Amino acid sequence: GDSVTQMEGPVTLSEEAFLTINCTYTATGYPSLFWYVQYPGEGLQLLLKATKADDKGSNKGFEATYRKETTSFHLEKGSVQVSDSAVYFCALSDSGGGADGLTFGKGTHLIIQP
Amino acid sequence: GAVVSQHPSRVICKSGTSVKIECRSLDFQATTMFWYRQFPKQSLMLMATSNEGSKATYEQGVEKDKFLINHASLTLSTLTVTSAHPEDSSFYICSAQLGLAGVDEQYFGPGTRLTVT
Repeated sequence: GDSVTQMEGPVTLSEEAFLTINCTYTATGYPSLFWYVQYPGEGLQLLLKATKADDKGSNKGFEATYRKETTSFHLEKGSVQVSDSAVYFCALSDSGGGADGLTFGKGTHLIIQP
Repeated sequence: GAVVSQHPSRVICKSGTSVKIECRSLDFQATTMFWYRQFPKQSLMLMATSNEGSKATYEQGVEKDKFLINHASLTLSTLTVTSAHPEDSSFYICSAQLGLAGVDEQYFGPGTRLTVT
């Protein structure tokens, strides 16, 4: 079945540091890939997505590129801020065009220190 | 953006009782809603897919008679945990999706913390 593996946290960085959160996946079809973010006390919010190989999703300074050859979708940001502290989930949808639930990674807790 | 609410946010119940959790899309109509379960330090696990006016589709290993799902309207889905036991204690999260394509964004509720004593 489908699965998503992402680096375990917590990841602690200083403000303005470079961020990478690794995510790899296994899927039977051609999935769409997502990064969701969960701020304290809030529901998951879509951060970015990519629907086919070599697509790059970007939002709020975060980027991730759909790499089919390495089955990866690593999240990066050049300069993190304290407000980026949250839990980040990598996920995939392998619906083949129909409605489908998401397969999530375990989440990575990111802590940014001033 | 689209908002999804859940009620209650926290509930404590005694073993053997039933608990209903509501999931509402507040400013859009959701053709499909999903229910997830999250254990501490674990990923969200899809429990079931709920389509308005039809029976829910349950994931393998999820007991449909224990986790009753009703999607009576395009803005409301309910999850009822019947005869709850301590092992049902968990964080339950719903999401709502516009349209049917798998690439459409899912909008998530804030979750419901269920504790069964």
